[in-house]
Amino acid sequence: SQQGEEDPQALSIQEGENATMNCSYKTSINNLQWYRQNSGRGLVHLILIRSNEREKHSGRLRVTLDTSKKSSSLLITASRAADTASYFCATDAVSGGYNKLIFGAGTRLAVHP
Amino acid sequence: DTGVSQDPRHKITKRGQNVTFRCDPISEHNRLYWYRQTLGQGPEFLTYFQNEAQLEKSRLLSDRFSAERPKGSFSTLEIQRTEQGDSAMYLCASSSTGTGFSPLHFGNGTRLTVT
Repeated sequence: SQQGEEDPQALSIQEGENATMNCSYKTSINNLQWYRQNSGRGLVHLILIRSNEREKHSGRLRVTLDTSKKSSSLLITASRAADTASYFCATDAVSGGYNKLIFGAGTRLAVHP
Repeated sequence: DTGVSQDPRHKITKRGQNVTFRCDPISEHNRLYWYRQTLGQGPEFLTYFQNEAQLEKSRLLSDRFSAERPKGSFSTLEIQRTEQGDSAMYLCASSSTGTGFSPLHFGNGTRLTVT
């Protein structure tokens, strides 16, 4: 079963606009990560936010985390056509001393030139 | 590039046949994960190795599925008596141990089509 749910399922914007994707999860976490997947490829790690952090930045990415609402958002500013991909949040379910990531169903982002 | 390598990239097989996939993780990573991804969905956890030890198997892994990681290096995932419902992308990922949280490094997957 999947822990997280992303919203929206699909997002279509023009280049230069900002894209916001949301993720909700069900259980307590140690950290939340965002990954990107281009069509037919593997996932690439974007950013990690720990449960005691509220906001984190990396380049054009901004991630927020609200543990009281069990939700996170990923903002991509000044989007580019190359940002077109699926974006997944993943929660870290610590089990037996290792990190097992549980992924949501993803948001498919299309950025039009 | 010494990223995670998976072979083959694509596999088409007939129902009832056995298939085996291989994953070569990043060399210094001792954690290895297998995930399955169907169209429009996120990856679903299948199993996890630390070195050569298989520490967890998902309920998704029926007894037709078996995974190994001999000598703690490459890993294989075998599906016996394939069914059409096994059609999916099979993703391998690796990570390192140590303090803090290590992100997963994914291969490009093996796409299985069962006809």
